Amino acid sequence: SYVLTQPPSVSVAPGQTARITCGGNNIGSKSVHWYQQKPGQAPVLVVYDDSDRPSGIPERFSGSNSGNTATLTISRVEAGDEADYYCQVWDSSSALCVFGTGTKVTVL
Amino acid sequence: QVQLVESGGGVVQPGRSLRLSCAASGFTFSSYGMHWVRQAPGKGLEWVAVISYDGSNKYYADSVKGRFTISRDNSKNTLYLQMNSLRAEDTAVYYCAKDQAAMVIQFRMDVWGQGTTVTVSS
Repeated sequence: SYVLTQPPSVSVAPGQTARITCGGNNIGSKSVHWYQQKPGQAPVLVVYDDSDRPSGIPERFSGSNSGNTATLTISRVEAGDEADYYCQVWDSSSALCVFGTGTKVTVL
Repeated sequence: QVQLVESGGGVVQPGRSLRLSCAASGFTFSSYGMHWVRQAPGKGLEWVAVISYDGSNKYYADSVKGRFTISRDNSKNTLYLQMNSLRAEDTAVYYCAKDQAAMVIQFRMDVWGQGTTVTVSS
């Protein structure tokens, strides 16, 4: 089955840039979606189709996808961005929806 | 406002059954595919199943195929998950989520409920 690999944790100082990677075989050929989940809360869609943002999501959140790696970038990080982040794709070959392993973002 | 409210969770013995419900409001429920996603304690997100807007197409995770059934009643704006032959590893918070695109499943989830907890234990 298709596997999406994320780093377990990323630490970043306020005002700096956080980059969260999502690795998968030829992931560049798929549409990647990103979710933010704060403790005790449901996930929130922050980026879809590699780089689009739902309404209400700050421009500080952006995404890219190429080759075997997709990346979620959070610019000008704020304390409120501290959360777990998950990438997700639909693997049409197996007819399965797959989430990444998740990355905990800590704001120093 | 768009809202999803899950119910039906609880403590159940291994091998028994449970049915979860998800009541939708604030959008045209009959136009959107719907998902179930679960999260075991301290673990990541795991997609469970999806159903198309009209119920004609359903997909399942390998871990639940043959045991769980997703369904919907568009007249009641409600999504269901029938869970049979439950196992300890099914213990999780179960979320229902709305697919973002109307009339076609795009496998991206833009609205989530707050979840209902299922504990499988003897």
